[in-house]
Amino acid sequence: ETGVTQTPRHLVMGMTNKKSLKCEQHLGHNAMYWYKQSAKKPLELMFVYNFKEQTENNSVPSRFSPECPNSSHLFLHLHTLQPEDSALYLCASSQTSGTANYGYTFGSGTRLTVV
Amino acid sequence: DQQVKQNSPSLSVQEGRISILNCDYTNSMFDYFLWYKKYPAEGPTFLISISSIKDKNEDGRFTVFLNKSAKHLSLHIVPSQPGDSAVYFCAASGVSSGSARQLTFGSGTQLTVLP
Repeated sequence: ETGVTQTPRHLVMGMTNKKSLKCEQHLGHNAMYWYKQSAKKPLELMFVYNFKEQTENNSVPSRFSPECPNSSHLFLHLHTLQPEDSALYLCASSQTSGTANYGYTFGSGTRLTVV
Repeated sequence: DQQVKQNSPSLSVQEGRISILNCDYTNSMFDYFLWYKKYPAEGPTFLISISSIKDKNEDGRFTVFLNKSAKHLSLHIVPSQPGDSAVYFCAASGVSSGSARQLTFGSGTQLTVLP
């Protein structure tokens, strides 16, 4: 597989459940990101990992817990979510050195519905 | 406060005509700007970018213009095709902690190209 792969594509969970989102990149990038996309809103940066180290936590509630075991894998652990957390969660990766295109490569996202 | 703004949530254009999507930013430290295109149920895909040292970058039917003094950029698509119908996100980049470049996104513009 190539690119950035996210699983599952769709997830419905109750407010008391615990679930995890998974992201895997096969591009040799060293930075990975979690973004949240709610309807009619900008993509909101949640977490940044650079060389497996978390370098940014954008005031995200503790019910979202990221994990980055290596530069190729990123997880988002979810527990006791609220209905307003329903959104599309996007993972992205990028290469952080050099002066070329700094664009991210995104996965297809996980559509999360909290009931 | 949004640092990257796309004030038009939607735009409809006739096939063959020019589509112009606009974006404004407030942070003068941004030094790289990108446009992403997103189809439903997919992650955003990189379209075109421009460095702050340039005022124009062209790639086929797509041209991005940057007006630094006005903190404004625009994406021109000519001629527009029905397959261009998608949500277009403007993004701006600047170096952040740990050298991981972060992207700040606008809220997107839904482009519909009518046949």
